[in-house]
Amino acid sequence: GQQVKQSSPSLTVQEGGISILNCDYENDMFDYFAWYKKYPDNSPTLLISVRSNVDKREDGRFTVFLNKSGKHFSLHITASQPEDTAVYLCAAGLNQGGSAKLIFGEGTKLTVSS
Amino acid sequence: EAAVTQSPRSKVAVTGGKVTLSCHQTNNHDYMYWYRQDTGHGLRLIHYSYVADSTEKGDIPDGYKASRPSQENFSLILELASLSQTAVYFCASSDAGGLTGQLYFGEGSKLTVL
Repeated sequence: GQQVKQSSPSLTVQEGGISILNCDYENDMFDYFAWYKKYPDNSPTLLISVRSNVDKREDGRFTVFLNKSGKHFSLHITASQPEDTAVYLCAAGLNQGGSAKLIFGEGTKLTVSS
Repeated sequence: EAAVTQSPRSKVAVTGGKVTLSCHQTNNHDYMYWYRQDTGHGLRLIHYSYVADSTEKGDIPDGYKASRPSQENFSLILELASLSQTAVYFCASSDAGGLTGQLYFGEGSKLTVL
């Protein structure tokens, strides 16, 4: 089954509004959570990440919230801009005996309309 | 600047043929990964490696082999290409399994199997 899941394949937000993207995971051993941004025909790039020992991390307009008991994390983008239009991939991972891997969700296509 | 390069960037293969996708990184990273991207599935992990001459199976390894002859190089091999392997393939590297730092992705290799 899908270990990391993004239930919304797409989201449209007005310019200046708040974009909220959600991600659920199954493995409660995951200890690292990240959001990657991907433009069409480009490779993904890291946007923001957080370890399991914190429940929130903010970087400018971007904030990741982690709810470990609910096995859920989200990305909030304030003052959304047209250039935020992209596919956002959530990812979660764990380190097992030196063998580490990152599992991605299906992606949410965010469109910020002006 | 992190650098992960993939070759070829685009390839058309025939069903049953052999395909090799190559990845080279100059980041001095220990971890390297192969993901495939399909619409509606995000990025799915095929194989990864955390040391030269050793590879690990990811979530969807069937039909693929991997080779890590050196720290810098990581190849993905399709011995008998099938229609279902048409996808965009991304290679990535990381210095800590992606769990404390980011994954650096290559530009992607678009494979079409006819």
